[in-house]
Amino acid sequence: NAGVTQTPKFQVLKTGQSMTLQCAQDMNHEYMSWYRQDPGMGLRLIHYSVGAGITDQGEVPNGYNVSRSTTEDFPLRLLSAAPSQTSVYFCASSPGTGGWNYGYTFGSGTRLTVV
Amino acid sequence: AQSVSQHNHHVILSEAASLELGCNYSYGGTVNLFWYVQYPGQHLQLLLKYFSGDPLVKGIKGFEAEFIKSKFSFNLRKPSVQWSDTAEYFCAVRDNFNKFYFGSGTKLNVKP
Repeated sequence: NAGVTQTPKFQVLKTGQSMTLQCAQDMNHEYMSWYRQDPGMGLRLIHYSVGAGITDQGEVPNGYNVSRSTTEDFPLRLLSAAPSQTSVYFCASSPGTGGWNYGYTFGSGTRLTVV
Repeated sequence: AQSVSQHNHHVILSEAASLELGCNYSYGGTVNLFWYVQYPGQHLQLLLKYFSGDPLVKGIKGFEAEFIKSKFSFNLRKPSVQWSDTAEYFCAVRDNFNKFYFGSGTKLNVKP
């Protein structure tokens, strides 16, 4: 099925470890984003991309890196995991300005625990 | 930057009760407005959206929302809730830079 695929679904890291959360979409969407969801705080934007080769910071970018070498993929890298990064991470995509009447399509999420 | 406020953090209703969840946003320019629903253990799904035209928008599962520009509001309503509507509901705004802003969410608990 077409959509946004996130891997892994669950991950436990030790403080200081690094890892990459994968996100891929097969809808040829230009716009992709990473959010973290924490209780009582809704979704907060980490990084986003408006197209291949273009990324920008969101509301809470510290401790995370992204790259967008292809339209399909938008991985999120945790450089040195901290307990404050324990959260549920969602990747989302949307058509670009040409598809203005679309909302986001969300992936199923990655539940990350940093111990 | 935008801000999106959802004033009801937790709502408990009995089945067949009417629902209204508030959403207010801060941006004065052209916006697109959305409501998303997240069922327990699942990802967010689009419930309805407003772009232009009729300010009363109908979505899936009997939900509707009304855009009131003068009040910067986009409240979600349903005349009669069901137990299966138990979920968390998020209001979202997209500004004309194509950036999305989400509210903090409202947890709805419907008692059978």
